Amino acid sequence: QSALTQPASVSGSPGQSISISCTGSSSDVGSYDLVSWYQQHPGKVPKLLIFEVTKRPSGVSNRFSASKSGNTASLTISGLQAEDEADYYCCSYAGSSTLVFGGGTKLTVL
Amino acid sequence: QVQLVQSGAEVKRPGASVKVSCRAAGYTFTDHFIYWVRQAPGQGLEWMGWIDPRSGGASYAPPFQGRVTMTRDTSISTAYLEVGRLRSDDTAFYFCARALPQAAAGSDSWGQGTLVSVSS
Repeated sequence: QSALTQPASVSGSPGQSISISCTGSSSDVGSYDLVSWYQQHPGKVPKLLIFEVTKRPSGVSNRFSASKSGNTASLTISGLQAEDEADYYCCSYAGSSTLVFGGGTKLTVL
Repeated sequence: QVQLVQSGAEVKRPGASVKVSCRAAGYTFTDHFIYWVRQAPGQGLEWMGWIDPRSGGASYAPPFQGRVTMTRDTSISTAYLEVGRLRSDDTAFYFCARALPQAAAGSDSWGQGTLVSVSS
């Protein structure tokens, strides 16, 4: 069970769109529609942005969207805002009652 | 509102054990699994396992099997994480989190975190 692979960092300017990839394997991301995404600001607890690949909890901005193709899931943030600067983590069910997180991606808003 | 309140920071020697508690409020404790997730300083999130408060059954991530025990006391809506044979690289914030109704779908509410420091 290896951590999912995310880019270490991404950046974008206010108003732009960015995407963060999350690559797993046929044992996790590729086999289950159970990918979630979290946002974590420095010194804060993680916040759920997306669950079951594409679903947003109530209260999460529709600027956040997500998808999956094969073994790779993606989070897209549109209309980038300064407050979006944070760390982002993907997470997937990996079978046998286990979950696995990605290594995290630091988003910088230029 | 949903709240998960964790116990306070701990300082331990290598080889010792630590037990962290997570008290749930604002919902029916037995209706949602509890995740335990840790985060070393400046590092990413690491899923340690989960417990079903209704049955008491737990599942552990492979790196933690044999060294971690998750339990619960339904009478006080509290989940516990015990980590044994502590090493310096166990120094981290330990979070509990409430799972969504589909346990593997994600977690929608997190405790404030408990810092466990391991040092000789």
